[in-house]
Amino acid sequence: EVQLVESGGGLIQPGGSLRLSCVASGFTVSSNYMTWVRQAPGKGLEWVSVIYRGGNTQDADSVKGRFTISRDNSKNTLYLQMNSLRAEDTAVYYCARGGSAWSVDYWGQGTLVTVSS
Amino acid sequence: QSALTQPASVSGSPGQSITISCTGTSSDVGGYNYVSWYQHYPGKAPKLMIYDVTNRPSGVSNRFSGSKSGNTASLTISGLQAEDEADYYCSSYTSGSPFVFGTGTKVTVL
Repeated sequence: EVQLVESGGGLIQPGGSLRLSCVASGFTVSSNYMTWVRQAPGKGLEWVSVIYRGGNTQDADSVKGRFTISRDNSKNTLYLQMNSLRAEDTAVYYCARGGSAWSVDYWGQGTLVTVSS
Repeated sequence: QSALTQPASVSGSPGQSITISCTGTSSDVGGYNYVSWYQHYPGKAPKLMIYDVTNRPSGVSNRFSGSKSGNTASLTISGLQAEDEADYYCSSYTSGSPFVFGTGTKVTVL
């Protein structure tokens, strides 16, 4: 059974850093592309970052230069390093697995990041 | 990349059919057959309902169907049930990024 469990969220001051983790089970993170999607309070889903099977990455313009997606194949874990955090980064962050072509077939339950002083 | 446009809310009575639209441009919805639909109950993990415009993952009810015409994709829920009350999001591959999501639609079962 495919499972994704995120952790690492919390309250952080503007300008601070946080690293989210997503432990995968039931498959290997290197065998699919993996992505982070967020949802700000009262808002819709927003794509954040993706890491492809070959290791290439791509980020949304809103986080480019501040967020870095990575994975540790030995730990079967996906990460999102978030630096220079802003109030507008406040959201529930979902870890998700790429499915057929450009769809996401499994999602985690999400972890809440709150950026506030 | 701007979000795809969805109606904020759609409602229907049990047993009826409803359709949710998802409007983009020729750089996303209209340019690729990579439209997906997700069902999201607040506080829960989103669930893939349709991928590649018309395909249903294993285990998804055949009451859910997808289609596309030009720059607009649609999700139809037939035989509406109380359990279908949730938020629904479309997404599409785009020329600039792998995903752009829709603004979301709240489905209410009357």
